[in-house]
Amino acid sequence: DSGVTQTPKHLITATGQRVTLRCSPRSGDLSVYWYQQSLDQGLQFLIHYYNGEERAKGNILERFSAQQFPDLHSELNLSSLELGDSALYFCASSVVPSGPNTGELFFGEGSRLTVL
Amino acid sequence: GENVEQHPSTLSVQEGDSAVIKCTYSDSASNYFPWYKQELGKGPQLIIDIRSNVGEKKDQRIAVTLNKTAKHFSLHITETQPEDSAVYFCAAPNAGGTSYGKLTFGQGTILTVHP
Repeated sequence: DSGVTQTPKHLITATGQRVTLRCSPRSGDLSVYWYQQSLDQGLQFLIHYYNGEERAKGNILERFSAQQFPDLHSELNLSSLELGDSALYFCASSVVPSGPNTGELFFGEGSRLTVL
Repeated sequence: GENVEQHPSTLSVQEGDSAVIKCTYSDSASNYFPWYKQELGKGPQLIIDIRSNVGEKKDQRIAVTLNKTAKHFSLHITETQPEDSAVYFCAAPNAGGTSYGKLTFGQGTILTVHP
């Protein structure tokens, strides 16, 4: 158990809909990262938040947005869903955002999104 | 940005044999190279990492080697066991910026260890 909690584990929805994925980081971790895992694209970085502030963006679509709340949990919002958005969405947390002492990312078990 | 290539995509070995997975990266400024293991239904888990100031790091049956000149790094698993069966990912951080958690992952290697 990594200590990172993601909900829901599975989600099935229709094209055009909007969903929210939730992540609770490990106790004490200030950084939250979102990754998308699909068969064709592999594991892709979406976005990083540190203590409530956005720190880095990857290839995140404009239809997707995220935020980190004062209690450090994070939500990833996916809107106007398309078939191609079907994927596993992982949240990961770490102690520090950068620097020479940066190390391990702790991943949750993921939220599997199916868009029909 | 960083580009990470990983080979092979699948690897099948007999229990007790060694397994080697190789990755190349494009950005010479990259200085941190982790390896993650993903078991079925789970998220990736760090198994070993190496920084650019060393050429090799070992942890029991697992070792990672780094060749900065050639821009490649490898994962070596010795005395493989069935529980080593999983998908293995190499990664490298995008150089610069303020987010070392912004990793570029390889495409993954499905390792199968046959009893």
